[in-house]
Amino acid sequence: RKEVEQDPGPFNVPEGATVAFNCTYSNSASQSFFWYRQDCRKEPKLLMSVYSSGNEDGRFTAQLNRASQYISLLIRDSKLSDSATYLCAVNEDTGRRALTFGSGTRLQVQP
Amino acid sequence: NAGVTQTPKFQVLKTGQSMTLQCAQDMNHEYMSWYRQDPGMGLRLIHYSVGAGITDQGEVPNGYNVSRSTTEDFPLRLLSAAPSQTSVYFCASSPDLRVEVTGELFFGEGSRLTVL
Repeated sequence: RKEVEQDPGPFNVPEGATVAFNCTYSNSASQSFFWYRQDCRKEPKLLMSVYSSGNEDGRFTAQLNRASQYISLLIRDSKLSDSATYLCAVNEDTGRRALTFGSGTRLQVQP
Repeated sequence: NAGVTQTPKFQVLKTGQSMTLQCAQDMNHEYMSWYRQDPGMGLRLIHYSVGAGITDQGEVPNGYNVSRSTTEDFPLRLLSAAPSQTSVYFCASSPDLRVEVTGELFFGEGSRLTVL
């Protein structure tokens, strides 16, 4: 069983739509959570952190649900440029200075 | 700004050959790491380093060696390439050693390796 799981998608949505992805984690001791964006054949880039109280950055909202052990990313008013793969990353509190990544959810925004 | 530079970008090897993937960063980051990315598997940590002379194993270290003789460079060596090592390799650095807290990883553009 993978420690961090994501629905691979693709999520195909029209421009202007609202779309949400979830990422589940199995280690209840996990401390920190992040969303990365990866464009096709490019490197991942940090999109935003996920705080216990939630985090909003423009059209993007990230939330944490500790009870159900998942984080979410909500994108409002989707743009064509939002088309990418969204990776979640988790600090599993293993003592290792590293993050555990999910395999990503692909979003395709269509005109 | 160069950031994190990986070479080569593409490489084809035969089984049993050895090679080194180079990674250099010009941001004076103490933290550097290597990940591999495979379809459906996500990014998996191979090795990481918190400073010159200090390296540690990640999730999938077998078949790979690293060394950190300078702050800038963190090469990844494949000792005897196997088809299972066909992957995209990403080097990443961070300005904060507490990368597991900050999430601030800066990735290179990746190196695509095929082992025949």
